[in-house]
Order: sequence, then C-alpha cells, then structure tokens
Amino acid sequence: NFLLTQPHSVSESPGKTVTISCTRSSGSIASSYVQWYQQRPGRSPTNVIYEDNQRPSGVPDRFSGSVDSSSNSASLTISGLKTEDEADYYCQSYESSNLWVFGGGTKLTVL
Amino acid sequence: QVTLKESGPALVKPTQILTLTCTFSGFSLSTHGMRVSWIRQPPGKALEWLARIDWDGDKFYSTSLKTRLSISKDTSKNQVVLTMTNMNPVDTATYFCARIRPQSVFFDNWGPGMLVSVSS
Repeated sequence: NFLLTQPHSVSESPGKTVTISCTRSSGSIASSYVQWYQQRPGRSPTNVIYEDNQRPSGVPDRFSGSVDSSSNSASLTISGLKTEDEADYYCQSYESSNLWVFGGGTKLTVL
Repeated sequence: QVTLKESGPALVKPTQILTLTCTFSGFSLSTHGMRVSWIRQPPGKALEWLARIDWDGDKFYSTSLKTRLSISKDTSKNQVVLTMTNMNPVDTATYFCARIRPQSVFFDNWGPGMLVSVSS
C-alpha cells in the first residue's frame, strides 16, 4: 500500500487563500482519483472534492482540487477563507479500486 | 434521503470480539453499484479505512487488519456488520460506516460514528 502525506497544520487569515497538499508515497498520483473531506470537531467527515477536482452539490466554488504529477501530489485550495472553514481536512485515494487510503489529516486554522 | 447509523457495544475488553452494525436507509445494498465501507478514527488521530462490501457480495479489507476483520451484509434488514477479533486498547476509536457514491469513488454519506473503547 502507499501512503498519503499531508502537512499537520496550516493557518491563514480570513479572506485569504490556503492550499493543503497530499503527497503519494509510491505509484502515480494520477493513477487513481483523489478525494477531500472536511471534518469539524465532533462531526462526521463530509466530502468537499471528489475525483480530483469535482465539487459535490452544496460545496461552494471557493473549494477546488488539483493533481500535479510532477510532485506526485494533490492539492485542496480554499479561497476567500471564512472562519467556518476551520476544520480538519483529509485526502483519500485508493489502490486497484479496492484498497482505500486516507491521508494523515491537516488542521486548518483560520485566524 | 440516505441515512446510516452505527450500533454496537461502547466498551469491550481486550482480546474480545467487536461486532458493529450499520443500519441504513434510502438505498438498497442489492442495487447494482452500491457499496458500504467501515472507517475508524482513534481519538485525536486520522481516519483509517477498514473494509468494504459491495452489492454483489465482494469484500475488501485493509491490508494491515485483514486477518482480524470480517464484513457481511443482510440485505433484507438493510444492515452491514463488521466484526473485529482480538480487540486491543489501540483499537479504541470512533467507528463510522459510510456509503460510496454509486459509479464513483467517494464517501457521500456517513453515519454519526460510534465510539468504542477497549479496556479491562
């Protein structure tokens, strides 16, 4: 299995833009879709990006996803930060469509 | 409306077997393309994918835990059951069940989660 490595924490001010990275340890990042989940304290995760760059209905377009093969990583970008965006964010991908992997999570602080 | 809810014991002793049930509504696991997974999260730590069962009965397990896990479904009851053997204090976690969006690869609906503590 591969690992997905995320920064432990990031912080930024309201109104600014923040990017969270997710680096795949082995195998190509482009070989399987990457998803992103937001988890607020005490709550279940909710999906904010699926299939690399798709937004579920109801997720604002301030959230965007991308994949960079040169760095073998995926990124979640949140623009126009709001205090309500403060949460833990997890990337997720899979191997052979059957073994699923989560990243270690990134705590986003909006201050 | 899709809903899922986990149930089971809140406390188990070391070496015991944990049995968790995910009861869902709003979809049928006999429908082509439907899949349900279990995921856990130790307190203050990251999410960890555990297992998946598909509409056709196919089952998949975390490589690191596959010798201890078993997943099954009861389509008539709209339930998915996870068993984990030889429980250890490090297995203390919130256990979630989640549906995978049909024809896609992401978890689109999650249960509220259930905290299971392992202690003597």
